[in-house]
Amino acid sequence: NAGVTQTPKFQVLKTGQSMTLQCAQDMNHNSMYWYRQDPGMGLRLIYYSASEGTTDKGEVPNGYNVSRLNKREFSLRLESAAPSQTSVYFCASSEDFRDTEAFFGQGTRLTVV
Amino acid sequence: QKEVEQNSGPLSVPEGAIASLNCTYSDRVSQSFFWYRQYSGKSPELIMSIYSNGDKEDGRFTAQLNKASQYVSLLIRDSQPSDSATYLCAVNVNSGGSNYKLTFGKGTLLTVNP
Repeated sequence: NAGVTQTPKFQVLKTGQSMTLQCAQDMNHNSMYWYRQDPGMGLRLIYYSASEGTTDKGEVPNGYNVSRLNKREFSLRLESAAPSQTSVYFCASSEDFRDTEAFFGQGTRLTVV
Repeated sequence: QKEVEQNSGPLSVPEGAIASLNCTYSDRVSQSFFWYRQYSGKSPELIMSIYSNGDKEDGRFTAQLNKASQYVSLLIRDSQPSDSATYLCAVNVNSGGSNYKLTFGKGTLLTVNP
C-alpha cells in the first residue's frame, strides 16, 4: 500500500521553464492538497481539491495551476518558474476535507535557478 | 491574526521531562485539530487528532483542546531523544460556506537532550 506518491523527488529548473508535479493516492480519499514548505514559514496551502471535479485556491496560489485528473491524481503545474518558487512541495490527501487527518507524500525538492 | 499560531521555539527539554507544545487558532467554528511530527528532511506524519474539548491520551502523548479559549496543546511525557523533531499544529479552518481547508501553524522545533 503506497499511500501518497509524488514525482519527482528532486528537480532543478531554470527561470521561466515549466513543469508539472504529479501526485497520486491509493487510499480512495476524496480530498487532496498541495502545500509548499519554506524555512521558518511552515506548510502553506497552495491549492486544494475537496472532491473530484473541484479545486480551490489556498493561501499562496499565484504562479501555480492544478488539475484534479481523477479521484486518485492531483497535479501541480508551474507555468513559468521563478526563483521564489524554490521550495519543498508536499502533496497530501484525506478522506474528506472537513474533519479527517491528511496523509502526506514524501515531498518534491524544487530548485529554480 | 494568523489562522493557526504556534510558539516558534525552539524548545529544549532534558530526556525524561515533559514537553509542552501550544497552539491557538482564530476560526471559532473549527471542529478538527491535529498534531503532526516532522523529522528533518521528511514529510509530516500524524501523531494525534482531537475533536472534542478535554484531553485525549495515546501512549506518551496527550492532546488537550479548549474550544472556548481556541487553544490546543500537545504534551509529551517521558521525552526521548527520538522525539526531537518539528511539531506542527493543524486546524480545519472554514474557508467559506461549507468549505474547509487544512491550515498549519509554522511549527515548533523540539530538541530532547540525553
